[in-house]
Amino acid sequence: EDQVTQSPEALRLQEGESSSLNCSYTVSGLRGLFWYRQDPGKGPEFLFTLYSAGEEKEKERLKATLTKKESFLHITAPKPEDSATYLCAATGTASKLTFGTGTRLQVTL
Amino acid sequence: DTEVTQTPKHLVMGMTNKKSLKCEQHMGHRAMYWYKQKAKKPPELMFVYSYEKLSINESVPSRFSPECPNSSLLNLHLHALQPEDSALYLCASSLSPDWNTGELFFGEGSRLTVL
Repeated sequence: EDQVTQSPEALRLQEGESSSLNCSYTVSGLRGLFWYRQDPGKGPEFLFTLYSAGEEKEKERLKATLTKKESFLHITAPKPEDSATYLCAATGTASKLTFGTGTRLQVTL
Repeated sequence: DTEVTQTPKHLVMGMTNKKSLKCEQHMGHRAMYWYKQKAKKPPELMFVYSYEKLSINESVPSRFSPECPNSSLLNLHLHALQPEDSALYLCASSLSPDWNTGELFFGEGSRLTVL
């Protein structure tokens, strides 16, 4: 059975304090690894797709990377507006999208 | 237009009521999805429609009845729900018709409370 595990469960950063969120996955025949951002009471917002180990994607202060066992979402010099829950998800060649439980990020002034 | 629009945003219903959630997208996406999300939990897949045909039903109780009238619209009919069905119901769409794509565009959700 596919598994996606995210850590830490919650993270509190000061503005400008860079950090990384971790997503470990066990998926047979990885088809894609996906990152989403979700604000409270809203639907998830698609951020990135990573297809193979070594791939990297960037958007503003966010950078997603992928290895054969995990993905990292690096947040550089975060701002309070980056506060949200970040969800990682993965699909395999014969399996539906599996979400992790998310990392709740709070960025304070 | 890059939005998935869901109505209503909030719904309160009794256990004997019949209500419907609606979802609309005009991005030309070929697949549409219903997800259920409880507080501090990830979204759980309920149904997938691909080319307006039901392709996945994740063993959802029959008190939830999906309908896809056309390629832009998706409904979820609700009847005789239980209090534990209270949750955020999310509609999503994808350009790919494949049932296991991961690039989904979500609406803002319908917050359902069952009394």
